[in-house]
Amino acid sequence: ETGVTQSPTHLIKTRGQQVTLRCSSQSGHNTVSWYQQALGQGPQFIFQYYREEENGRGNFPPRFSGLQFPNYSSELNVNALELDDSALYLCASSLPDNQETQYFGPGTRLLVL
Amino acid sequence: AQSVTQLDSQVPVFEEAPVELRCNYSSSVSVYLFWYVQYPNQGLQLLLKYLSGSTLVKGINGFEAEFNKSQTSFHLRKPSVHISDTAEYFCAVSDPRSGETSGSRLTFGEGTQLTVNP
Repeated sequence: ETGVTQSPTHLIKTRGQQVTLRCSSQSGHNTVSWYQQALGQGPQFIFQYYREEENGRGNFPPRFSGLQFPNYSSELNVNALELDDSALYLCASSLPDNQETQYFGPGTRLLVL
Repeated sequence: AQSVTQLDSQVPVFEEAPVELRCNYSSSVSVYLFWYVQYPNQGLQLLLKYLSGSTLVKGINGFEAEFNKSQTSFHLRKPSVHISDTAEYFCAVSDPRSGETSGSRLTFGEGTQLTVNP
C-alpha cells in the first residue's frame, strides 16, 4: 500500500466531453505527478505539481490541465476528449525528504468512445 | 533528453528458474534508475532504485539489479522466480537535478511482461 488513492477506478466518456480525475496523497507529500499509460506501453509523464504550482510538463497539449490543493489532493482535467485519450491515468506523489521516490496510486482507467 | 530501452517485451520462464530483465538507458547526465512492477489492473510498485554508491542494488521480493555505467545498463535479476512474479516490469530513469527542489520526473521504458509457468 502506497497511501495514494485515485477516483474513480473506471470511467467511460464520449469524444468531445470533459473529464476530471482525482488523486489523494498521504499527508506531507508536497509533489504530485500525473502519467498516462496507454495500453501495452509504459507510462508517459503529463505534468507535475509542487506546492500547488505546475512544475514541468511533458509533451501533452494544454487541454490537459491540473490542480493541486493544500490538503494533498489533486486533479487532472482533460477537455475535448479524443479517442486516443483512452488510457490508464496514474498519479504519483513524493515526500520532501525523499523526492526521488514516487509512490503510485492504482490508476483510473478512462475509455473514450 | 533521456530514454529507456527494455530489450525484451516478453520473457517466459519456468517456476524456480533464474530470470534477467534487460534495461538500457540513454542520458547526457547522470541518472537515477528504478524498476517498478505492475500487476494486472493495478498501479506501479517500486521494486528497487539506484541513486548512488554500490552498483548492486537489492530490492523487494528477492529482486536485485546492477548498475553498469560503461554499458548504460540496469538489468533486473532474480535467482528463482515464483508464479506470483508474473507481472509487467518497467525500468525508469530520472535526472537527479530535477529532484533538488521537487519530485523527480520519470521516463519509463515500454515494459517487459514476465510470465512464470509451472
